[in-house]
Amino acid sequence: DGGITQSPKYLFRKEGQNVTLSCEQNLNHDAMYWYRQDPGQGLRLIYYSQIVNDFQKGDIAEGYSVSREKKESFPLTVTSAQKNPTAFYLCATYYNPNYGYTFGSGTRLTVV
Amino acid sequence: AQSVSQHNHHVILSEAASLELGCNYSYGGTVNLFWYVQYPGQHLQLLLKYFSGDPLVKGIKGFEAEFIKSKFSFNLRKPSVQWSDTAEYFCAVNAPNSGYALNFGKGTSLLVTP
Repeated sequence: DGGITQSPKYLFRKEGQNVTLSCEQNLNHDAMYWYRQDPGQGLRLIYYSQIVNDFQKGDIAEGYSVSREKKESFPLTVTSAQKNPTAFYLCATYYNPNYGYTFGSGTRLTVV
Repeated sequence: AQSVSQHNHHVILSEAASLELGCNYSYGGTVNLFWYVQYPGQHLQLLLKYFSGDPLVKGIKGFEAEFIKSKFSFNLRKPSVQWSDTAEYFCAVNAPNSGYALNFGKGTSLLVTP
């Protein structure tokens, strides 16, 4: 079945360490997105990519970085510059208006 | 700046009560509008969407929403809620000039009591 795989489901890191969250899709969708979900804040856009080797900053890109070397993969790195990295991170893809968006199951990152 | 506002952060209703959740957006140009639901411990699920045509949109599980262009609103309604509707509800907007990225409201937490 086609879908999005986010791994791992739970991730723990020490403060000051960079960590990379994986997002892999086999849907052949061009557009991919990273969101951060915090209680009472909804989902906020971190980065998005419409095609390979191209990506754009979202509303809260500071302290994060991404790459899009392959269509299937859009990893997100949470750097030590991100002041409050503990959150739930969701990856999504978009194909067209009729198909809509597909969301991954998310990664819960806890930084201690 | 483009934004999506959901007026009610927490709503508590008794079963069989009617529901209306407000959503306003501030975007210029063409937009597409969505309502998503997130049940406790589960993924986001699309309730309904509006692209064009009839401004009254019907979705899954008896939900509907009305697009009022003059008011920049897209309110979600359900005539009679059930305990199983307890969830968080998100209004979202996308636009072609932002890579079709969804811009979400902060969400409304709905608790339906028996």
